[in-house]
Formats: sequence, structure tokens, C-alpha cells
Amino acid sequence: DAGITQSPRHKVTETGTPVTLRCHQTENHRYMYWYRQDPGHGLRLIHYSYGVKDTDKGEVSDGYSVSRSKTEDFLLTLESATSSQTSVYFCAIRGGADNSPLHFGNGTRLTVT
Amino acid sequence: GESVGLHLPTLSVQEGDNSIINCAYSNSASDYFIWYKQESGKGPQFIIDIRSNMDKRQGQRVTVLLNKTVKHLSLQIAATQPGDSAVYFCAETYSSASKIIFGSGTRLSIRP
Repeated sequence: DAGITQSPRHKVTETGTPVTLRCHQTENHRYMYWYRQDPGHGLRLIHYSYGVKDTDKGEVSDGYSVSRSKTEDFLLTLESATSSQTSVYFCAIRGGADNSPLHFGNGTRLTVT
Repeated sequence: GESVGLHLPTLSVQEGDNSIINCAYSNSASDYFIWYKQESGKGPQFIIDIRSNMDKRQGQRVTVLLNKTVKHLSLQIAATQPGDSAVYFCAETYSSASKIIFGSGTRLSIRP
């Protein structure tokens, strides 16, 4: 799994509560990404980071925020969880921007009831 | 807008036969392409990649073909095995881009 740990692996939470998912890498890679995966939609980019404290939005960023205070950790926060945010969330890392693949963690399954 | 898609959502092949999974992309500026395999309950796993200055690249039992003229990408798996059962995604990006765009995936199933 390319030195990527996602926590928790499973989470059930109630609508309106805040939730934070963590991604930890041991590869010292510059780029980190958060994707969500839903049936019929494939992998969709939520946010990504190109360095410590440098982040940008993806295609489905509404309702999510991220933080990267150190190279190895990238946090995804749902400020007020909604049922539409029930999904599997994947973190990915990438060593360089040019011509290098993403490597993924094993995901966090989030259920919002 | 940019899009990466797959022609077939499911593919069933006989064990031992070769599999071919196709992908179309729409961004002519894309110059780097990647294939991923995703097994149930796991994250996508990198299989093989290809740069736009190449037409073909081979790995262990896998070959990726790139046809820039028609913006088409394919993944060939030789002598398909039960362990190849998974969903396969293609992805595209271009130099200096931080974002990688994924296709919707093809499920490969193996008949004994």
C-alpha cells in the first residue's frame, strides 16, 4: 500500500456531526489527494495538497475541508456530515507532478445516518 | 469538459484467454496515462503507465496501447487468471498538472 494508512477504516456517524478522516504517509511524497468513490460515479477528486499548507479544490469539494500541517498527514473534515457524504474515501499520494502515478490507501468507509 | 471513459462496463472472459479493456479520453492535451486495478474492499492498485511519446508499453502479462490519433487507450492482459478479477480504471493527466482524472471503470470477470 505504498506506506499509506487511512484511519479510521470504518465510521458511522449521524447527520450534522463533524467528522475527520486521516491519511498518513511514510514516503515523504509532496502530493496528497482525497477522493470519494460511489457506485456509478467512479473516483472523484475532493481536495488535494501540493505541499505543507498548500491545498486546492477538486471537482466535489463542497462540504469538505482539508488541512496539511506536515508532510506526512493530510486530514479531510466534513464540517457537518450529510447523508450524501456516505461514501468510500480514498487517500492517495504522488511523488512528483509530472508523469508519476498515484498510490492509494485502502480507504475509509463512511456511513452518515 | 475533460473526460475519461470506458467503452464496456463489464467484461467476461474465459480463464486462460487474453483480456482487452478499452478506454477513450477526450483531452488531447493529456500526455500521461495510467491503468489501475481495484479488488473488492481495497484501494486502486497501480498496474502500468504510458507516456504520450510511446505507443506501447509492456509489463508482466500486461500491455498498454495508446492511439493518440483516436484518443484511445487499451489494457491487454495475457492468459487471464482468476486473480485478475477486479475493476480496472484508466486515468489521464498532463505534464505539470496536479489532478488526475479517472474513468468510470470496467469490471473483469473470469469464467472457469
